[in-house]
Amino acid sequence: GENVEQHPSTLSVQEGDSAVIKCTYSDSASNYFPWYKQELGKGPQLIIDIRSNVGEKKDQRIAVTLNKTAKHFSLHITETQPEDSAVYFCAASIRMTGSARQLTFGSGTQLTVLP
Amino acid sequence: GAGVSQSPRYKVAKRGQDVALRCDPISGHVSLFWYQQALGQGPEFLTYFQNEAQLDKSGLPSDRFFAERPEGSVSTLKIQRTQQEDSAVYLCASSLMMPGTQYFGPGTRLTVL
Repeated sequence: GENVEQHPSTLSVQEGDSAVIKCTYSDSASNYFPWYKQELGKGPQLIIDIRSNVGEKKDQRIAVTLNKTAKHFSLHITETQPEDSAVYFCAASIRMTGSARQLTFGSGTQLTVLP
Repeated sequence: GAGVSQSPRYKVAKRGQDVALRCDPISGHVSLFWYQQALGQGPEFLTYFQNEAQLDKSGLPSDRFFAERPEGSVSTLKIQRTQQEDSAVYLCASSLMMPGTQYFGPGTRLTVL
């Protein structure tokens, strides 16, 4: 099955600096890569996703890059703000029976933005 | 609009008790997923429904775990004879399309004493 590794497990940055979180996956059949933000006591919330036919996607301060050859993808957050502090999860997915996607998650990165 | 809701939010059970966790997906969402999230870890897939049909239950850790979605909307995850290793947050997610973005509920934190 799919295995997703995520680094670093914790990351502290000064407000206004950039943060980068990296993930690798093992199954070359994976074709969809979402990133989720999880705040304490809440469920994961999708912040950005990328499909395997695209190398980069940007949404305001958030960008994701994908290298299919190396099987790794990264989340970039620029101009970080204290409200960006949360746990971030990457995930990879393959098609399942009925065409849904089974998500395999990384172990998470606790991001702390210091004011 | 209303998101995915789960109840109860917190459940404490004594070892050996049966528990039932409820998920109300976003109205009209066809796909429904259950995940288990251990402390400090990412969610792990348990099972998946397309409407009322359970199409994949490969992630259920043992035959003590059972899920149903009889009318294709609300789903219940049942755990029989709970064990301490069952302590975790149980997350439900729903998706409108197949495939599509999965929207997560707030989870149910189960603690087995």
